[in-house]
Amino acid sequence: NAGVTQTPKFRILKIGQSMTLQCTQDMNHNYMYWYRQDPGMGLKLIYYSVGAGITDKGEVPNGYNVSRSTTEDFPLRLELAAPSQTSVYFCASSYDRGNYGYTFGSGTRLTVV
Amino acid sequence: AQSVSQHNHHVILSEAASLELGCNYSYGGTVNLFWYVQYPGQHLQLLLKYFSGDPLVKGIKGFEAEFIKSKFSFNLRKPSVQWSDTAEYFCAVNADNAGNMLTFGGGTRLMVKP
Repeated sequence: NAGVTQTPKFRILKIGQSMTLQCTQDMNHNYMYWYRQDPGMGLKLIYYSVGAGITDKGEVPNGYNVSRSTTEDFPLRLELAAPSQTSVYFCASSYDRGNYGYTFGSGTRLTVV
Repeated sequence: AQSVSQHNHHVILSEAASLELGCNYSYGGTVNLFWYVQYPGQHLQLLLKYFSGDPLVKGIKGFEAEFIKSKFSFNLRKPSVQWSDTAEYFCAVNADNAGNMLTFGGGTRLMVKP
């Protein structure tokens, strides 16, 4: 059982480039989330989804987009990368609204130069 | 909006010392409370959780946490830390008015000296 799988693990982008961070879960969870983690700032919610076809903004959505065409996949897109988006990105999923906690992926470390 | 505060950003302990990490939240309604641990270079893993019932919750690896509703606190404790407990610890809260989101504290980085 793979859980939550994120790719890539590391990436360096130039300012203005775009990329998609991939996230897949095999637990049939309806709820999926994208967080960014910055030193000393904890985790900030970027976007979340309560099921296929449904997405909503979190605390820090600017500069990002998501889609949820299937239950399994929840990609995060950066259209015009900026240095402020240098961070570690975590995808997570949960069976319900989070009452039992989340399962996290291993993270993507992104550097924008 | 709810918020979660972790008072200590960095803690350094020697092996066998006792640990207590503070966590306070701002919401006064029904909450579910969590502690996550992130070992160096790894993803977050659930350490323990509280939903209801006994306010003293026991988790993995000898950790426990006590929910004190009157103080809006959920402090993490371990009687005797090991070098392998070196990690970052995050408190998180899911409140009944917060939809589907966990709100995380800023984290506490624990270093245990051998």
